[in-house]
Amino acid sequence: AQKVTQAQTEISVVEKEDVTLDCVYETRDTTYYLFWYKQPPSGELVFLIRRNSFDEQNEISGRYSWNFQKSTSSFNFTITASQVVDSAVYFCALNTNAGNMLTFGGGTRLMVKP
Amino acid sequence: DTGVSQDPRHKITKRGQNVTFRCDPISEHNRLYWYRQTLGQGPEFLTYFQNEAQLEKSRLLSDRFSAERPKGSFSTLEIQRTEQGDSAMYLCASSLAWDRSDEQFFGPGTRLTVL
Repeated sequence: AQKVTQAQTEISVVEKEDVTLDCVYETRDTTYYLFWYKQPPSGELVFLIRRNSFDEQNEISGRYSWNFQKSTSSFNFTITASQVVDSAVYFCALNTNAGNMLTFGGGTRLMVKP
Repeated sequence: DTGVSQDPRHKITKRGQNVTFRCDPISEHNRLYWYRQTLGQGPEFLTYFQNEAQLEKSRLLSDRFSAERPKGSFSTLEIQRTEQGDSAMYLCASSLAWDRSDEQFFGPGTRLTVL
């Protein structure tokens, strides 16, 4: 079975601070894909980033970066120089060969205060 | 706008009534997914279609739930004899590729309230 755990239910930071959102996943599959989605107050889930299980290279895309470590089954997401508009619920998700559905974590609510 | 659309955006119904939701995916997308999201939780997968074929439906919550995608374009999700526990946001998503690596694009959701 697949499982995604986001231990941080809520994080509050002040604008311009860096913030890291944690994600730990469980799967027996050797091929899988990890995603981060953002859900702003409007409710629509927005795709942010994706990583496959064969590529542990960490990358930076603008103010977003991610740290994928297979050894610890973690896929953490960092926002640099946070902005008020980053306030949202962030979901980590997993897709494996066991099925074609996304398994989501419980989400982390990020509040960025001015 | 060429994103995923869902109708209605909000639905209030009385317990025991049937409800039907519609999802229109991005036009060239061959896969369509339904998820349910309850308050404070992540979305939970329900079912998905590849073109008009429903390839996974074991995750539908009960036999009161059914989904169709008759011509491989829009889809409907029906809940019969609604219960208060069915109150949730119902999300639709679509994707293009045959590859699980491709992102799913989500619609705005239909919020169901069962009184």
